[in-house]
Amino acid sequence: GAVVSQHPSRVICKSGTSVKIECRSLDFQATTMFWYRQFPKQSLMLMATSNEGSKATYEQGVEKDKFLINHASLTLSTLTVTSAHPEDSSFYICSARRNRDSNQQYFGPGTRLTVT
Amino acid sequence: GEDVEQSLFLSVREGDSSVINCTYTDSSSTYLYWYKQEPGAGLQLLTYIFSNMDMKQDQRLTVLLNKKDKHLSLRIADTQTGDSAIYFCAEIGEYGNKLVFGAGTILRVKS
Repeated sequence: GAVVSQHPSRVICKSGTSVKIECRSLDFQATTMFWYRQFPKQSLMLMATSNEGSKATYEQGVEKDKFLINHASLTLSTLTVTSAHPEDSSFYICSARRNRDSNQQYFGPGTRLTVT
Repeated sequence: GEDVEQSLFLSVREGDSSVINCTYTDSSSTYLYWYKQEPGAGLQLLTYIFSNMDMKQDQRLTVLLNKKDKHLSLRIADTQTGDSAIYFCAEIGEYGNKLVFGAGTILRVKS
C-alpha cells in the first residue's frame, strides 16, 4: 500500500505560539507533498505544494511566513503554523505523491488544530 | 479557473443504490477521482477514472464519465450504513499538479 501518517492527530495551543505538524510517507518515497486545509463542512483548500529539496510553492492568499513548510527528505514534510491565532484553527491534511508522473495522491489522516 | 460542483446532500435507505453527481469545468482534466471522508479522518481514495474512459466498475462502485457534458457520477450499489460519509469529487488537469475538489456530498444511509 501507500500509507501516509500525520503527527500529531490533534493539538491545542495558545494564541501566539507555533505548532509543527509532520507528514510522513511510511512505505514509499514522495517527491511531492501537498498541504491542505479544511474548514468545517467544506472542501479541501490547497495551501502549498512542496517538492523535496526545494522551496514550497504557495497558493494565492496563503501567507508563506505564517505557514512554513519544509520538505527535507523524501519521506517527511513539516508544516509549522507560526504565531498561531484562533482563526488558524482548522483541520490540516497532507498528501504525498510518489513521483511527478504519478496521478495519485495518498492522504494522511489529518491534524485537528485548535488555537485558544 | 477550474471548478468542481457537487450536490450537498443525499439520503438513501440501506440496500438501495446511491448516485452522487459531480460536474467540472476543466476541459483538460486527465483524471477524475472519488474520495471518501469519514468524520474526523483524512481522505480515502475510492476510485478514479482516466478521461478517455466512460465507465469504470469496481465491486459495488460504478463511475460514469460524460466528458462532453463534463459530468461524473459515482454509483454505490447495495448501500450500507458504513457508506455514510462525505464523498468528494476531484479532478486534475493535463499540466496541473493540483487536485481541484468539489465541496463534498454528505451521504446518509438510513437503516
